[in-house]
Amino acid sequence: DAGVTQSPTHLIKTRGQQVTLRCSPISGHKSVSWYQQVLGQGPQFIFQYYEKEERGRGNFPDRFSARQFPNYSSELNVNALLLGDSALYLCASSPRMKIAGGLYEQYFGPGTRLTVT
Amino acid sequence: QKEVEQDPGPLSVPEGAIVSLNCTYSNSAFQYFMWYRQYSRKGPELLMYTYSSGNKEDGRFTAQVDKSSKYISLFIRDSQPSDSATYLCAMIQGAQKLVFGQGTRLTINP
Repeated sequence: DAGVTQSPTHLIKTRGQQVTLRCSPISGHKSVSWYQQVLGQGPQFIFQYYEKEERGRGNFPDRFSARQFPNYSSELNVNALLLGDSALYLCASSPRMKIAGGLYEQYFGPGTRLTVT
Repeated sequence: QKEVEQDPGPLSVPEGAIVSLNCTYSNSAFQYFMWYRQYSRKGPELLMYTYSSGNKEDGRFTAQVDKSSKYISLFIRDSQPSDSATYLCAMIQGAQKLVFGQGTRLTINP
């Protein structure tokens, strides 16, 4: 079975530009979460989408937005890029809205590495 | 103050050593406690999770939770070079959000 896939793998953008990152969850998973991982830090929660609705939002500015499509894939958009947005963006999918271990486990994709110059 | 504190290391030990990784947390509302392993240029993968205080063992890995002290640990016995990775502790808030520690970079030397 395919795991969580993300595209693109790497991306270089200039300050002020906009970027769209894409995620395809594991087949059958309806929940997609986005995390930002700055170099040397742990991942930070950005959004959770479940059944195409936003279910949770982290402490990120409105420049960050996301959506989930009927096939449960998701896009993360970041507008007006800043140097500080350079990070690994991780997508995680799970079968249910509630996450934990076991049946509620969240599976992470390999991430998209965004560099803002 | 961060909700989850984790010593970033780096930590370097010889093959076969016992490794101890630790995190402290401040939010009593945290429920599940998880340990993730992240290899370079990969996403985190779940190693172990536990809900209650006490020990949980899985092969060479033991997770320990002390809710009274707000302290969790991961022990790796008979460490192998393939265990070299960044280890992240994480806790679940509100059943939907993972709160991660900074991660400890571990190297096992052959």
